[in-house]
Amino acid sequence: DAKTTQPPSMDCAEGRAANLPCNHSTISGNEYVYWYRQIHSQGPQYIIHGLKNNETNEMASLIITEDRKSSTLILPHATLRDTAVYYCIVYNFNKFYFGSGTKLNVKP
Amino acid sequence: KAGVTQTPRYLIKTRGQQVTLSCSPISGHRSVSWYQQTPGQGLQFLFEYFSETQRNKGNFPGRFSGRQFSNSRSEMNVSTLELGDSALYLCASSTGGSQETQYFGPGTRLLVL
Repeated sequence: DAKTTQPPSMDCAEGRAANLPCNHSTISGNEYVYWYRQIHSQGPQYIIHGLKNNETNEMASLIITEDRKSSTLILPHATLRDTAVYYCIVYNFNKFYFGSGTKLNVKP
Repeated sequence: KAGVTQTPRYLIKTRGQQVTLSCSPISGHRSVSWYQQTPGQGLQFLFEYFSETQRNKGNFPGRFSGRQFSNSRSEMNVSTLELGDSALYLCASSTGGSQETQYFGPGTRLLVL
């Protein structure tokens, strides 16, 4: 049921920007893209979401391509505490389908 | 506002038993969703309740059931436990709109022996 594809793992140096890609080529017009992260098997933490336009909040930025078939989550200055599994989710009517996520390793 | 709470946090059961897990949503949230997370299958949607009615359902056997009370608190029940039911069970709450953000609780870790 997962509608997204993400790389299984990525490395990032502390202090640098982390760019996490996601492919959602079958997304429908009314489906949002959500990003969550999960640290040490805690409950997933909401990061950001968007429909068409790029979005930014205090945690991250979300860049969605014009055709909406892919997106990128940007953590502008990654810290060691950002090490987690990041999930890109296509969300329609209260049903989340989680893919496998990307394990982001932030290294000193 | 207090976040989503789940009880108990840890649970050990034996095969064939049944278990009930509880979830208290964020105040004012009317939707509660349940998820199962295992190393092999990842995070999978179980079901969602809104205003005491099951509104969405994932692909799980009938041994998995739930309910929601008038105060929006929700319980899920698993009957005739199997070893494969060992998992982290997560609940999430939202206001209930079609595109509203879900906020997750810390989860209940169930071990079936």
